[in-house]
Amino acid sequence: EVQLVETGGGLIQPGGSLRLSCAASGFTVSSNYMSWVRQAPGKGLEWVSVIYSGGSTYYADSVKGRFTISRDNSKNTLYLQMNSLRAEDTAVYYCARVVGDDGSLFFDYWGQGTLVTVSS
Amino acid sequence: SYVLTQPPSVSVAPGQTARITCGGNNIGSKSVHWYQQKPGQAPVLVVYDDSDRPSGIPERFSGSNSGNTATLTISRVEAGDEADYYCQVWDSSSDPYYVFGTGTKVTVL
Repeated sequence: EVQLVETGGGLIQPGGSLRLSCAASGFTVSSNYMSWVRQAPGKGLEWVSVIYSGGSTYYADSVKGRFTISRDNSKNTLYLQMNSLRAEDTAVYYCARVVGDDGSLFFDYWGQGTLVTVSS
Repeated sequence: SYVLTQPPSVSVAPGQTARITCGGNNIGSKSVHWYQQKPGQAPVLVVYDDSDRPSGIPERFSGSNSGNTATLTISRVEAGDEADYYCQVWDSSSDPYYVFGTGTKVTVL
Protein backbone atom coordinates (compact mmCIF):
# COMPACT_ATOMS: atom_id res chain seq x y z
CA GLU A 1 0.00 0.00 0.00
CA VAL A 2 1.33 3.42 -0.96
CA GLN A 3 1.70 5.83 1.96
CA LEU A 4 3.20 9.29 2.31
CA VAL A 5 3.72 10.84 5.73
CA GLU A 6 4.87 14.44 6.06
CA THR A 7 6.54 15.84 9.16
CA GLY A 8 8.45 18.96 10.11
CA GLY A 9 5.86 21.68 10.02
CA GLY A 10 5.40 24.23 12.76
CA LEU A 11 5.52 27.87 13.73
CA ILE A 12 8.54 29.78 12.43
CA GLN A 13 9.46 33.45 12.40
CA PRO A 14 9.79 35.38 9.16
CA GLY A 15 13.25 34.92 7.71
CA GLY A 16 13.66 31.55 9.38
CA SER A 17 14.26 28.10 7.95
CA LEU A 18 12.43 24.81 8.16
CA ARG A 19 12.90 21.37 6.62
CA LEU A 20 9.91 19.23 5.76
CA SER A 21 10.18 15.48 5.38
CA CYS A 22 7.95 13.04 3.53
CA ALA A 23 8.49 9.37 4.35
CA ALA A 24 7.24 7.06 1.65
CA SER A 25 6.27 3.40 1.81
CA GLY A 26 4.91 0.97 -0.73
CA PHE A 27 7.07 2.32 -3.55
CA THR A 28 10.57 3.69 -4.22
CA VAL A 29 10.93 7.47 -4.12
CA SER A 30 14.04 7.55 -6.30
CA SER A 31 12.27 5.69 -9.12
CA ASN A 32 9.42 8.15 -9.23
CA TYR A 33 8.72 11.82 -9.77
CA MET A 34 7.89 13.46 -6.42
CA SER A 35 6.42 16.86 -5.72
CA TRP A 36 5.40 19.34 -3.04
CA VAL A 37 2.08 21.16 -3.28
CA ARG A 38 0.86 23.73 -0.76
CA GLN A 39 -2.45 25.23 0.24
CA ALA A 40 -2.71 28.50 2.11
CA PRO A 41 -5.54 28.70 4.67
CA GLY A 42 -8.86 28.92 2.85
CA LYS A 43 -7.15 29.02 -0.55
CA GLY A 44 -6.58 26.70 -3.48
CA LEU A 45 -3.78 24.32 -4.37
CA GLU A 46 -0.41 25.69 -5.48
CA TRP A 47 2.37 23.58 -6.94
CA VAL A 48 5.72 24.27 -5.24
CA SER A 49 8.43 21.95 -6.53
CA VAL A 50 9.18 18.63 -8.25
CA ILE A 51 12.13 16.26 -8.38
CA TYR A 52 12.30 13.81 -11.24
CA SER A 53 13.69 10.30 -11.05
CA GLY A 54 16.81 11.44 -12.89
CA GLY A 55 17.40 14.11 -10.26
CA SER A 56 16.26 17.23 -12.15
CA THR A 57 14.47 19.73 -9.96
CA TYR A 58 12.00 22.53 -10.73
CA TYR A 59 10.39 25.23 -8.64
CA ALA A 60 7.52 27.67 -8.75
CA ASP A 61 8.68 31.24 -9.19
CA SER A 62 7.29 32.11 -5.75
CA VAL A 63 9.85 29.86 -4.01
CA LYS A 64 12.73 29.76 -6.48
CA GLY A 65 16.03 30.52 -4.77
CA ARG A 66 14.58 29.98 -1.30
CA PHE A 67 13.33 26.36 -1.31
CA THR A 68 15.27 23.20 -2.18
CA ILE A 69 13.76 19.81 -2.92
CA SER A 70 15.83 16.69 -2.35
CA ARG A 71 15.56 13.02 -1.47
CA ASP A 72 17.42 10.41 0.56
CA ASN A 73 17.28 7.14 -1.30
CA SER A 74 18.46 5.11 1.70
CA LYS A 75 15.57 6.44 3.77
CA ASN A 76 13.05 6.51 0.91
CA THR A 77 12.25 10.05 1.99
CA LEU A 78 11.56 13.33 0.20
CA TYR A 79 12.56 16.70 1.69
CA LEU A 80 11.80 20.36 1.24
CA GLN A 81 14.32 22.78 2.71
CA MET A 82 12.64 26.15 3.14
CA ASN A 83 14.79 29.23 3.79
CA SER A 84 14.02 32.94 4.07
CA LEU A 85 10.44 32.13 4.97
CA ARG A 86 7.77 34.76 4.50
CA ALA A 87 4.26 35.18 5.87
CA GLU A 88 2.88 34.23 2.46
CA ASP A 89 4.55 30.81 2.76
CA THR A 90 2.05 29.93 5.49
CA ALA A 91 0.21 26.86 4.23
CA VAL A 92 -0.39 23.17 4.54
CA TYR A 93 2.37 21.44 2.58
CA TYR A 94 1.55 18.16 0.87
CA CYS A 95 3.96 15.76 -0.73
CA ALA A 96 2.60 13.84 -3.67
CA ARG A 97 3.74 11.22 -6.13
CA VAL A 98 3.69 12.28 -9.76
CA VAL A 99 2.76 9.80 -12.46
CA GLY A 100 1.92 9.87 -16.13
CA ASP A 101 3.93 10.43 -19.28
CA ASP A 102 4.91 13.14 -21.75
CA GLY A 103 2.20 15.74 -21.90
CA SER A 104 0.28 14.28 -18.98
CA LEU A 105 1.66 14.36 -15.46
CA PHE A 106 -0.54 14.29 -12.39
CA PHE A 107 -0.58 13.43 -8.68
CA ASP A 108 -1.90 9.99 -7.80
CA TYR A 109 -1.05 9.75 -4.09
CA TRP A 110 -0.90 12.53 -1.50
CA GLY A 111 0.27 12.71 2.08
CA GLN A 112 -1.93 14.09 4.84
CA GLY A 113 -0.07 17.40 4.87
CA THR A 114 1.93 19.36 7.42
CA LEU A 115 1.12 22.93 8.46
CA VAL A 116 3.76 25.63 8.24
CA THR A 117 2.94 28.92 9.91
CA VAL A 118 5.26 31.87 9.36
CA SER A 119 4.58 34.54 11.94
CA SER A 120 6.32 36.66 14.52
CA SER B 1 1.59 31.38 -17.28
CA TYR B 2 -1.33 29.12 -18.10
CA VAL B 3 -4.57 29.91 -16.24
CA LEU B 4 -7.38 27.52 -15.37
CA THR B 5 -10.69 29.09 -14.35
CA GLN B 6 -13.41 27.29 -12.40
CA PRO B 7 -16.74 28.56 -11.03
CA PRO B 8 -16.41 29.23 -7.29
CA SER B 9 -19.44 27.17 -6.40
CA VAL B 10 -21.96 24.69 -7.75
CA SER B 11 -25.09 23.58 -5.92
CA VAL B 12 -26.95 20.39 -6.68
CA ALA B 13 -29.77 18.35 -5.16
CA PRO B 14 -29.17 14.73 -4.17
CA GLY B 15 -29.69 12.37 -7.07
CA GLN B 16 -29.15 15.08 -9.66
CA THR B 17 -26.12 15.76 -11.86
CA ALA B 18 -23.35 18.24 -11.04
CA ARG B 19 -21.16 19.66 -13.79
CA ILE B 20 -17.96 21.49 -12.90
CA THR B 21 -16.19 23.37 -15.66
CA CYS B 22 -12.51 24.19 -16.04
CA GLY B 23 -11.71 26.83 -18.62
CA GLY B 24 -8.32 27.37 -20.25
CA ASN B 25 -6.91 28.49 -23.58
CA ASN B 26 -7.16 25.51 -25.93
CA ILE B 27 -7.41 23.18 -22.94
CA GLY B 28 -8.73 20.51 -25.27
CA SER B 29 -5.15 20.00 -26.46
CA LYS B 30 -4.00 19.13 -22.95
CA SER B 31 -4.69 16.27 -20.55
CA VAL B 32 -6.85 17.36 -17.62
CA HIS B 33 -6.94 15.78 -14.20
CA TRP B 34 -9.43 16.30 -11.37
CA TYR B 35 -9.09 16.14 -7.59
CA GLN B 36 -11.66 16.03 -4.81
CA GLN B 37 -10.80 17.59 -1.45
CA LYS B 38 -13.01 17.29 1.59
CA PRO B 39 -12.53 19.62 4.58
CA GLY B 40 -9.38 18.88 6.54
CA GLN B 41 -8.29 16.15 4.14
CA ALA B 42 -5.74 15.77 1.40
CA PRO B 43 -6.85 15.91 -2.24
CA VAL B 44 -7.87 12.66 -3.90
CA LEU B 45 -7.52 11.99 -7.62
CA VAL B 46 -10.94 11.25 -9.14
CA VAL B 47 -10.33 11.59 -12.90
CA TYR B 48 -7.10 11.60 -14.92
CA ASP B 49 -6.31 12.04 -18.60
CA ASP B 50 -9.61 13.83 -19.20
CA SER B 51 -11.90 10.88 -18.55
CA ASP B 52 -10.17 7.93 -16.87
CA ARG B 53 -10.97 6.92 -13.31
CA PRO B 54 -8.51 5.52 -10.77
CA SER B 55 -9.49 2.26 -9.17
CA GLY B 56 -11.97 2.77 -6.37
CA ILE B 57 -13.56 5.88 -7.85
CA PRO B 58 -17.27 5.38 -8.61
CA GLU B 59 -18.47 5.39 -12.21
CA ARG B 60 -20.63 8.37 -11.24
CA PHE B 61 -17.53 10.50 -11.77
CA SER B 62 -16.75 11.20 -15.42
CA GLY B 63 -14.86 13.78 -17.42
CA SER B 64 -14.68 15.36 -20.84
CA ASN B 65 -12.45 17.90 -22.53
CA SER B 66 -12.83 19.88 -25.73
CA GLY B 67 -12.04 23.31 -27.06
CA ASN B 68 -11.53 25.73 -24.20
CA THR B 69 -13.45 23.82 -21.54
CA ALA B 70 -12.99 20.62 -19.57
CA THR B 71 -15.86 19.27 -17.49
CA LEU B 72 -16.12 16.99 -14.49
CA THR B 73 -19.57 15.42 -14.23
CA ILE B 74 -20.89 13.82 -11.06
CA SER B 75 -24.02 11.79 -11.71
CA ARG B 76 -26.54 10.77 -9.05
CA VAL B 77 -24.95 13.12 -6.56
CA GLU B 78 -24.72 11.96 -2.96
CA ALA B 79 -24.20 13.91 0.24
CA GLY B 80 -20.68 12.47 0.45
CA ASP B 81 -19.73 14.22 -2.81
CA GLU B 82 -19.82 17.60 -1.10
CA ALA B 83 -16.26 18.87 -1.40
CA ASP B 84 -13.91 21.19 -3.26
CA TYR B 85 -12.88 20.07 -6.73
CA TYR B 86 -9.75 21.17 -8.59
CA CYS B 87 -8.70 20.64 -12.19
CA GLN B 88 -5.01 20.39 -13.10
CA VAL B 89 -2.84 20.26 -16.20
CA TRP B 90 0.87 19.89 -16.88
CA ASP B 91 2.40 22.25 -19.37
CA SER B 92 6.13 22.18 -20.07
CA SER B 93 5.91 25.59 -21.72
CA SER B 94 4.25 27.17 -18.73
CA ASP B 95 5.67 28.37 -15.44
CA PRO B 96 4.59 26.87 -13.14
CA TYR B 97 4.62 23.55 -14.93
CA TYR B 98 1.87 22.04 -12.84
CA VAL B 99 -1.18 24.28 -12.96
CA PHE B 100 -4.24 23.95 -10.74
CA GLY B 101 -7.62 25.47 -11.34
CA THR B 102 -9.11 27.96 -8.93
CA GLY B 103 -11.32 25.34 -7.33
CA THR B 104 -15.08 24.75 -7.12
CA LYS B 105 -17.06 24.14 -3.96
CA VAL B 106 -19.81 21.61 -4.60
CA THR B 107 -22.72 21.91 -2.19
CA VAL B 108 -25.33 19.17 -1.95
CA LEU B 109 -28.64 20.78 -1.07
